[in-house]
Amino acid sequence: GAVVSQHPSRVICKSGTSVKIECRSLDFQATTMFWYRQFPKKSLMLMATSNEGSKATYEQGVEKDKFLINHASLTLSTLTVTSAHPEDSSFYICSARAPWPENTEAFFGQGTRLTVV
Amino acid sequence: AQSVTQPDIHITVSEGASLELRCNYSYGATPYLFWYVQSPGQGLQLLLKYFSGDTLVQGIKGFEAEFKRSQSSFNLRKPSVHWSDAAEYFCAVGTFLGGATNKLIFGTGTLLAVQP
Repeated sequence: GAVVSQHPSRVICKSGTSVKIECRSLDFQATTMFWYRQFPKKSLMLMATSNEGSKATYEQGVEKDKFLINHASLTLSTLTVTSAHPEDSSFYICSARAPWPENTEAFFGQGTRLTVV
Repeated sequence: AQSVTQPDIHITVSEGASLELRCNYSYGATPYLFWYVQSPGQGLQLLLKYFSGDTLVQGIKGFEAEFKRSQSSFNLRKPSVHWSDAAEYFCAVGTFLGGATNKLIFGTGTLLAVQP
């Protein structure tokens, strides 16, 4: 299957700083990528849908100015957590929609564990 | 609204025993259903998916799932569990836009422990 790489896998940052997480589709072009957040012992919640060349679509309750998403190329989407606070600590996972004709499937990155201290 | 329910938060089975993980969904149209597995600190790996056709779906690692429309269920099964199957399992229903997957709605997951 297609490979999605997420970087970094772990990051620790100080409260008030910003952190960027990258999501790359390594062997296919992904016009659409998705960003999920997973709380401890909880399910994955979709934060936003990222479309190449246009603004991301955020789910209700997700702060656009805090979680900046950029999808500048067909293989890269980034999530920037701005002015991070301890409550932003979480596991963030991206996925990329497979190209046609497999576009009913999305492939997931390995996730990023963010800890804000 | 679409939703997915996984009634079992935690299941323990003996190695070699059979396994069934339950999943119920609520979706207004024909559902597109998925099962994913997540190892600790890792991303998600697709085990199998159902879109249409045969209601019994075969996946990787010896897993299968059966779609039952009348029960709104998509339970995951494996006839003989291996210690390496210990992980968290997520059922998801996919929403679609323009013929392509739009987003996935996940259940809360079932944590599987395998005892010797």
